[in-house]
Amino acid sequence: EAQVTQNPRYLITVTGKKLTVTCSQNMNHEYMSWYRQDPGLGLRQIYYSMNVEVTDKGDVPEGYKVSRKEKRNFPLILESPSPNQTSLYFCASSLGQGQGTQYFGPGTRLLVL
Amino acid sequence: AQKVTQAQTEISVVEKEDVTLDCVYETRDTTYYLFWYKQPPSGELVFLIRRNSFDEQNEISGRYSWNFQKSTSSFNFTITASQVVDSAVYFCALLTDSWGKLQFGAGTQVVVTP
Repeated sequence: EAQVTQNPRYLITVTGKKLTVTCSQNMNHEYMSWYRQDPGLGLRQIYYSMNVEVTDKGDVPEGYKVSRKEKRNFPLILESPSPNQTSLYFCASSLGQGQGTQYFGPGTRLLVL
Repeated sequence: AQKVTQAQTEISVVEKEDVTLDCVYETRDTTYYLFWYKQPPSGELVFLIRRNSFDEQNEISGRYSWNFQKSTSSFNFTITASQVVDSAVYFCALLTDSWGKLQFGAGTQVVVTP
């Protein structure tokens, strides 16, 4: 089944404790992206990647890191999480930037205390 | 600049009624793509439909239909004979070649009561 998977689905952590949210897709897509969704602010792009080893900032990259060492994986790293990073996070993938439909993972609900 | 406006914040209907969601977009690109996504209470984002800017043919897929009009920059979405399972937030989104990322509208909450 073609899909985008994210782990964990739910996470409660404390300020400053490094964490990684994994994202994997099995559709051989070149383009992958991370979004966060917050009440009143909608969906905003954090980082995106057009291919292996090619990543770039989205609208709200501060406090996040990403890497794209393999085509299928695009982890989101929070080196020192803060409460303002409490959010619902989505990973998405598509054939290419500006091409095709972006398919979303199930989301990761993060609470930073 | 890319912009998507969903003026309806919430729509409440009784089961079996039709519901139409409005979406107005802004872009200077001549090639672009429009999408509707559904976000049920469980939180995931589910792709529903996609339309290319060069294809204004309107279609029906099951209980879903859409009306794409370039002249008014609108991409409206209709659910026919709504069901309780249709209760969700629906997002309209715009993707352009030059922008490369999805620009989402604010979403419309649809509440279907039995």
